[in-house]
Amino acid sequence: DAGVIQSPRHEVTEMGQEVTLRCKPISGHNSLFWYRQTMMRGLELLIYFNNNVPIDDSGMPEDRFSAKMPNASFSTLKIQPSEPRDSAVYFCAITTLAADNEQFFGPGTRLTVL
Amino acid sequence: AQSVTQLGSHVSVSEGALVLLRCNYSSSVPPYLFWYVQYPNQGLQLLLKYTTGATLVKGINGFEAEFKKSETSFHLTKPSAHMSDAAEYFCAVSEQSGNTPLVFGKGTRLSVIA
Repeated sequence: DAGVIQSPRHEVTEMGQEVTLRCKPISGHNSLFWYRQTMMRGLELLIYFNNNVPIDDSGMPEDRFSAKMPNASFSTLKIQPSEPRDSAVYFCAITTLAADNEQFFGPGTRLTVL
Repeated sequence: AQSVTQLGSHVSVSEGALVLLRCNYSSSVPPYLFWYVQYPNQGLQLLLKYTTGATLVKGINGFEAEFKKSETSFHLTKPSAHMSDAAEYFCAVSEQSGNTPLVFGKGTRLSVIA
């Protein structure tokens, strides 16, 4: 977990509110991934970036979800407006230049939408 | 397209007994294969990975897995279970091109009985 910092660790919000999840990777990474974990669907990819460029966002559920990577050291996942079905754990993961596609995961953000 | 099937959502073993967690994959391209472990309220930690070369790979905490192309399997084993092995285990596949997303199985929860 030390290679990826996610904030907040827990978020409780009400339906309709905007939620922003943050990911701060260590330097030297080349790809960044956002995954969502739910009981029903397991772990699923939302979006990923190579060298800060979005490559595949086909996993983003709908237009309410958006992700950005304005620089190599920061990424955000935004949900606007949030809905109860968005409740899940959201993970950020990175690959580094030295690894064979080994992904290092952050501790996750547990989101609860009431 | 890639997919992973983990047989058994819950496996229970006695302390000191053999651990066997099953994983079968489907991939139209040569795969990279991974096993991750998740402890409660934590992120995913890599146990081991197969990229190329030796088909029997050893990981952390005494775990190992064997890549069998003819069976499209990558089962995880440990000769003697320890109480601390109780966790959720995920098998994952990715393409060999590097920096590509992981496709996860649904996970297997391992319980260890004293």
